[in-house]
Amino acid sequence: EVQVVESGGALVQPGGSLRLSCAASGFRVSSTYMSWVRQAPGKGLEWVSLIKTDSTTYYADSVKGRFTISRDNSKNTLYLQMNSLRPEDTAVYYCAKDSYVSYWGQGTLVSVSS
Amino acid sequence: DIVMTQSPDSLAVSLGERATINCKSSQSVFYSSNSKNYLAWYQQKPGQPPKLLIYWASTRESGVPDRFSGSGSGTDFTLTISSLQAEDVAVYYCQEYYGIPPYTFGQGTKLEIK
Repeated sequence: EVQVVESGGALVQPGGSLRLSCAASGFRVSSTYMSWVRQAPGKGLEWVSLIKTDSTTYYADSVKGRFTISRDNSKNTLYLQMNSLRPEDTAVYYCAKDSYVSYWGQGTLVSVSS
Repeated sequence: DIVMTQSPDSLAVSLGERATINCKSSQSVFYSSNSKNYLAWYQQKPGQPPKLLIYWASTRESGVPDRFSGSGSGTDFTLTISSLQAEDVAVYYCQEYYGIPPYTFGQGTKLEIK
């Protein structure tokens, strides 16, 4: 069964850092596109970042230079390193499988506030 | 970047009636080499992650009831629910996944019972 489980969300001060993890099962993260999508409280979905099978990475302009997507094939886990966090980064962050998202995790909440 | 615009923002439909949601992209998401439209539809119920309904603009995901259908090509797309059921109350999003990311979402359409 395909499953993705996010973790690492927390309350962090502006300017702080956080690393999100997404543990995958039932498939290999290295064999498909993997993305992060976020949803601010009461708002719509916002595409954040994607890593292709060849490890090419892409970012939304709103996070470029601050966030880094990566994966550990041996742990079958996707990561999102988030630096220089801002209050507007507050959101539920979803780990997502494929370019059109065939599987979503339950999400992990990141709150950026002083 | 491609901009996705949904209409209407909210919609109230009587049980058993047809619901229609539109999605327009700022540029074509049709790839002529494989004759595919790179457009997906998702359903999100309160407190839940989104769920994939339709991909390639008109291919229904496994397990999705056949009252859900997608149509359109190029820049104009439609999600139709042929006979609204109570469990269809949700927010619906379109997303393009054409070419180089970002893979943007529409702003969402809230569907309610009249």
